[in-house]
Amino acid sequence: EAQVTQNPRYLITVTGKKLTVTCSQNMNHEYMSWYRQDPGLGLRQIYYSMNVEVTDKGDVPEGYKVSRKEKRNFPLILESPSPNQTSLYFCASSSKGLAGSYEQYFGPGTRLTVT
Amino acid sequence: GENVEQHPSTLSVQEGDSAVIKCTYSDSASNYFPWYKQELGKGPQLIIDIRSNVGEKKDQRIAVTLNKTAKHFSLHITETQPEDSAVYFCAASRWDSNYQLIWGAGTKLIIKP
Repeated sequence: EAQVTQNPRYLITVTGKKLTVTCSQNMNHEYMSWYRQDPGLGLRQIYYSMNVEVTDKGDVPEGYKVSRKEKRNFPLILESPSPNQTSLYFCASSSKGLAGSYEQYFGPGTRLTVT
Repeated sequence: GENVEQHPSTLSVQEGDSAVIKCTYSDSASNYFPWYKQELGKGPQLIIDIRSNVGEKKDQRIAVTLNKTAKHFSLHITETQPEDSAVYFCAASRWDSNYQLIWGAGTKLIIKP
């Protein structure tokens, strides 16, 4: 089954304790992205990757790191989490469709709480 | 850069009635406009999309219209059903954006029985 998986689905942690949220896709997609979703703000992009070893900042990259060592995996790293990073996080992947149209496939989300 | 505004933020309609969600975009070079549906506890999922060389696209009870001159596009859901209750997001992208989507803030659609 074609899918994007994220782990963990729920995480409660304390300020300053490094954490990693994993993301994996089995569709051989070039593009992967991380979003955070907050009430009233919609989906805001954190980082994205066009392919292996190619990453770039999105709209809200501060406090986050990513890496893309393999095509299927795109982990999100919070080196020193703070309460303002409490949010719902989504990983997505995509492949270029016909004539510039494409579909992003989203993971199930990770609910992060930083106390 | 591109900005996408979405209205309303919440929409409540009676089951069986129609629902319309509207989005406006700022970048006239945008040429791809998808709509995503997010059910409770899940990630968003593409339900319909339209490219700028088409004015309207329909898929069963769902349709999307695009007005390039006015730079707005709309999602129309007819004969609404309880399973249509969800958050809907519009987005816009331009041909040279390398997969990047600019998202609207979302509309929570509530279908009243």
